[in-house]
Amino acid sequence: GQNIDQPTEMTATEGAIVQINCTYQTSGFNGLFWYQQHAGEAPTFLSYNVLDGLEEKGRFSSFLSRSKGYSYLLLKELQMKDSASYLCAGLYSGAGSYQLTFGKGTKLSVIP
Amino acid sequence: NAGVMQNPRHLVRRRGQEARLRCSPMKGHSHVYWYRQLPEEGLKFMVYLQKENIIDESGMPKERFSAEFPKEGPSILRIQQVVRGDSAAYFCASSPRDRAPYEQYFGPGTRLTVT
Repeated sequence: GQNIDQPTEMTATEGAIVQINCTYQTSGFNGLFWYQQHAGEAPTFLSYNVLDGLEEKGRFSSFLSRSKGYSYLLLKELQMKDSASYLCAGLYSGAGSYQLTFGKGTKLSVIP
Repeated sequence: NAGVMQNPRHLVRRRGQEARLRCSPMKGHSHVYWYRQLPEEGLKFMVYLQKENIIDESGMPKERFSAEFPKEGPSILRIQQVVRGDSAAYFCASSPRDRAPYEQYFGPGTRLTVT
């Protein structure tokens, strides 16, 4: 299978910046997603990277390096409501369709 | 425009019973994906369906699990003779285009508890 690895938990202070890293297997890889999931709720789309580089969207940015099999999600000016799990997911081709393979998620706790 | 709807939100079944989970995609979406999220685990792809067709069921357990997406009505994920290990959150997602998981929108999930 395609392993997606990310840290299990992180803690950061309100107003600070936090970077959540993700590594993935490059074979069959087509793109990298980040989702936010609050406890008991559906994942919501944050970003999708296909090309190398940084994509900025407000307080959230996502970076991809295809050669290194590496991505990160950067959250700036952290707010309490950013406490959630952040899911890294790779888009892989195979078996006649594209599939999303998710990591286990990084549980981010924002503290005052 | 209503989002992806799933029902029930919570389902309790005893071992050996059947569980039926329903997913109504967003309006205009004809592609549905089912995922399972076990406690402390990531979302795992189960099956990808279009109307009246199963496109990819490579993530579906070979026994007891089946899925359909009829011409009319919601997509159904059916689990026969449930066991405790089936307890999980089941999410469906829909997309408007063929082979476009990059445009998936997730439903709120059904939390299945097997007692």
